[in-house]
Amino acid sequence: QVQLQESGPGLVKPSQTLSLTCTVSGGSISSGDYYWSWIRQHPGKGLEWIGYIYYSGSTYYNPSLESRVTISVDTSKNQFSLKLNSVTAADTAVYYCARDSNGGYGAVDYWGQGTLVTVSS
Amino acid sequence: QSALTQPASVSGSPGQSITISCTGTSSDVGGYNYVSWYQQHPGKAPKLMIYDVSNRPSGVSNRFSGSKSGNTASLTISGLQTEDEADYYCSSYTSISTGVFGGGTKLTVL
Repeated sequence: QVQLQESGPGLVKPSQTLSLTCTVSGGSISSGDYYWSWIRQHPGKGLEWIGYIYYSGSTYYNPSLESRVTISVDTSKNQFSLKLNSVTAADTAVYYCARDSNGGYGAVDYWGQGTLVTVSS
Repeated sequence: QSALTQPASVSGSPGQSITISCTGTSSDVGGYNYVSWYQQHPGKAPKLMIYDVSNRPSGVSNRFSGSKSGNTASLTISGLQTEDEADYYCSSYTSISTGVFGGGTKLTVL
């Protein structure tokens, strides 16, 4: 059974960089069948796709966030990570890491539990 | 890319059927058969219910079905049950190789 677990600070100051890591267990992140995604949900709001990465390092980002986002992968640790720089209060959200099982075409079948990141001084 | 358009809320009685629509453009919903649907209960992570417009993952009830016509996809839940009360989100692959979600629909089972 594949499991994903987000980790990182729950509080980030404005203008700083939000950094989260997702640890994958029960399966290899290097499997060629999957893309590894970050998705967020503002409090009481809908889902927002941030981006995803293939194990080779190929990345695809939401155009509205692309200038501030970096997603990277560490196959040796079976982890992938999110960095979002120059954060503001508008970046306060629950951040999910997830697995896209359909070659990046959007069948997100495994999700982490989500981690709330609050941007505040 | 703009969010896909869903109704804010729908409701139905136990045993009834409901349909939730998801409208996009020819650059997302209309251009690809890569529409997914997710169910989210309060405080929980979303759960994949439908992928590739009409395919159900293993373990998802056959009361859930999906379809698409032009730029609009639909999720139908038949034989409505109280546990179906949740938020539902559609998503689509896009022409710029990204994903986009709908705004979400709150389903109330009366």
